[in-house]
Amino acid sequence: DIQMTQSPSSLSASVGDRVTFRCRASQSISNYLNWYQQKPGKAPKLLIYAASNLQSGVPSRFSGSGSATGFTLTISSLQPEDFATYYCQQSYSTPYTFGQGTKLEIK
Amino acid sequence: QVQLQQSGPGLVKPSQTLSLTCSVSDASISSGGYYWSWIRQYPGKGLEWIGYIYYSGSTYYNPSLKSRLTISLDTSKKQFSLKLGSVTAADTAIYYCARVNDYYDTTAYRTYPFFDYWGQGTLVTVSS
Repeated sequence: DIQMTQSPSSLSASVGDRVTFRCRASQSISNYLNWYQQKPGKAPKLLIYAASNLQSGVPSRFSGSGSATGFTLTISSLQPEDFATYYCQQSYSTPYTFGQGTKLEIK
Repeated sequence: QVQLQQSGPGLVKPSQTLSLTCSVSDASISSGGYYWSWIRQYPGKGLEWIGYIYYSGSTYYNPSLKSRLTISLDTSKKQFSLKLGSVTAADTAIYYCARVNDYYDTTAYRTYPFFDYWGQGTLVTVSS
């Protein structure tokens, strides 16, 4: 199985900050990488697919980049509703696997 | 707007079978284009892909669960289902159904799958 590792495991930031989440794959996955946001008690929500494509309806302050084994998700200017946990997921091969998540907290 | 609505018991006894159903609205599960998947999330927050089914009935299971797992489709009811046998406490989790959509990159000639719609989640506790 492909292992996905996210860093950091948690992050504190303030409204208006620029924040970056990192995700590393245990082998090259090209750009078969998706990002999800999860709020407490809710299902994950798709933000970015194929590493850099913004899902319809997702604000443009979210962006994704990377390929092969290293990927990033960036929020350009944090809004109050962005405090949540973020997961990466590879769809290069089955079994699909997720990172352990990065929890974004209010500073 | 596509909606996935889950149903099924929240408590299952050890060694028994966990059964959940996902009802799909505003999307066809009897034609191609999408896979229909199950994912679970452990109390410690880790997410695990369980498997998926295509409208043709073809299934793809996580090898770690394959021996205990059945995913099936009822197109007349617009539902797909999960059955996981011989459960233990380690199967306690929130179970989600989800649609697998994909993006076709016309320059790279590649198809990129992703989970775009999710059910509300069902907490299943395995306990006597």
